[in-house]
Parts: sequence; structure tokens; C-alpha cells
Amino acid sequence: GESVGLHLPTLSVQEGDNSIINCAYSNSASDYFIWYKQESGKGPQFIIDIRSNMDKRQGQRVTVLLNKTVKHLSLQIAATQPGDSAVYFCAENKGGATNKLIFGTGTLLAVQP
Amino acid sequence: GAGVSQSPSNKVTEKGKDVELRCDPISGHTALYWYRQSLGQGLEFLIYFQGNSAPDKSGLPSDRFSAERTGGSVSTLTIQRTQQEDSAVYLCASSFWGSNQPQHFGDGTRLSIL
Repeated sequence: GESVGLHLPTLSVQEGDNSIINCAYSNSASDYFIWYKQESGKGPQFIIDIRSNMDKRQGQRVTVLLNKTVKHLSLQIAATQPGDSAVYFCAENKGGATNKLIFGTGTLLAVQP
Repeated sequence: GAGVSQSPSNKVTEKGKDVELRCDPISGHTALYWYRQSLGQGLEFLIYFQGNSAPDKSGLPSDRFSAERTGGSVSTLTIQRTQQEDSAVYLCASSFWGSNQPQHFGDGTRLSIL
């Protein structure tokens, strides 16, 4: 039978450049957001989180920006390295009794040496 | 290690068989989650356990799916009478109690139904 290929959005960057990965979230009631990195054959790895009362948070080489007006989230990676190559997911938590996360479809980051 | 541990890492079974997937959460984490990831897709929530509270089963796709958590630690996800569309990676995560706690994932069980 015919196979279905993967059609993840892909961001290709040169090693050493900065990367920006974008995500649109769906629910204006969401109050917590997380970025995960997923390498092939591995589970998602926590990168950074941000609460809705903030618009920016910085980690080591990473910055997350939150724009609640347009429901947009971005992950900035400084000085991108080959080891950063992976699929990146944003996830939102609508809050309430259950902390279930709603995941985006992911972006494949390909770092060219 | 100190992370979430899942077993088996891979499972191949015939259509119609039952399967059990196991998750050992991070020590001290009271919340445990199961998600499913189909090929090339994002993660889909299945079920959530928090302490002794009733689990949130709202994401289970059919009554063939069930999960339990014994002693507030280890969890088992059971799929009865497996179908080919159940083929996916099943991921478990755990977190501390409370809202807005980051969930930490295991490496999943890759389930293939022949």
C-alpha cells in the first residue's frame, strides 16, 4: 500500500545561528505553556515553561515569548548547535482540575553544520 | 536512573490480543499521565491520575482502554482486543502535585499491532 509521509513544518538553520520556532495555541483560557524537545526514539524532554502572567522567560540558550493577545508562543534558541536538531513541541494547559497538556503538531529543527 | 521508566520499550502483538504497558514515575511525583503519539503526530492525552482522586479518563479512545495506578506509584495501561489503529507510541509522564507543574516523560512503549 501507499505510505503516508511525515509533513512536519521544518526549520533549517546553520550552526551558530539563532533559531525561532513558533506556535499558535488554541485556548485563551490556557494559563501554562511548555516547550518540549523530542529526539528520534525518545520521549519529549522538558525545555522551558512559562505561565500566563509572564510574557518572557529565559533559560540557558533558550527564551520563550508569550503573546496572549494573538495566542502565540515562540521558542528562541541562541547559537544553535547540531545537538539541537530534533522535533520541538509546544503544549498548553487549560488549567482546572486536570493538568492535561494539549500538544501542537511539532516543528522539525534541522541544524546544518 | 531517576527518570520516568516505561516497559516494554517495544511490543509487537497480533490483532485481537490484550497488551499491558507499564510506567514507573519519578519518585515523589504524585501525578501520572498517559499520552499516545501516532506516527509523525503530536501527543494525545489519554488519562490522568492524581493521588487518591478519581482519575480523569476523558481521553481514553474506547472502552478497550483502561489504566490503573497501584499504591500511588506504578501505573499499567491495558488495551484489550487490540486493533491495528492502536499502533502508536504510548508515553507516560509524571509531575509534582498542583497546577502548572512540568510533566516529565519516559521514552515510551512502541506498540505495533500486526
